[in-house]
Amino acid sequence: TQLLEQSPQFLSIQEGENLTVYCNSSSVFSSLQWYRQEPGEGPVLLVTVVTGGEVKKLKRLTFQFGDARKDSSLHITAAQPGDTGLYLCAGTFGGNTGKLIFGQGTTLQVKP
Amino acid sequence: DTGVSQDPRHKITKRGQNVTFRCDPISEHNRLYWYRQTLGQGPEFLTYFQNEAQLEKSRLLSDRFSAERPKGSFSTLEIQRTEQGDSAMYLCASSIVVVQETQYFGPGTRLLVL
Repeated sequence: TQLLEQSPQFLSIQEGENLTVYCNSSSVFSSLQWYRQEPGEGPVLLVTVVTGGEVKKLKRLTFQFGDARKDSSLHITAAQPGDTGLYLCAGTFGGNTGKLIFGQGTTLQVKP
Repeated sequence: DTGVSQDPRHKITKRGQNVTFRCDPISEHNRLYWYRQTLGQGPEFLTYFQNEAQLEKSRLLSDRFSAERPKGSFSTLEIQRTEQGDSAMYLCASSIVVVQETQYFGPGTRLLVL
């Protein structure tokens, strides 16, 4: 059974600060996605990583995929109140199924 | 709007009643997934379809739950004899498998069982 551990679960910071969210698995990911979810809405895809060691940037967000493809991180530079939300990592673990296994999420609050 | 749509967005029901949710995927997406999300947790996989075939079901999907995708387009998720523990957000996602699969989520249906 694949499990994803996300940390921290909650993060409350001031506008302008940097932060990092971590996602770890006991199994090797086939692919890993990061989503952002706002209250009452479905998750919105931020990025997909598939190659070990891969780094992707999306404006102030930097995503890293571990060399062994068992961990990932999301780093936000100079956080803004608009970054507030639930950040979810989700992975696939091979086979023909695309079902996603999600972490429990990181709730981020950025105070102005 | 060509995204995934779900109906209804909110449903309040009494324990023991049956409820049905609908999901309309992105046109031409051949895979459709159902997930359930409780407060403060990440979504949990329930089941998925490739075209009209239901290919996998989670152990979370008890006998009271049934999902269909009769023509390979929209899907329905029915919960019979609802229980308070069924209260959750039910999310639908669709995808098309090309080189890489990306799932696009709908806004969800929030179910409250009283």
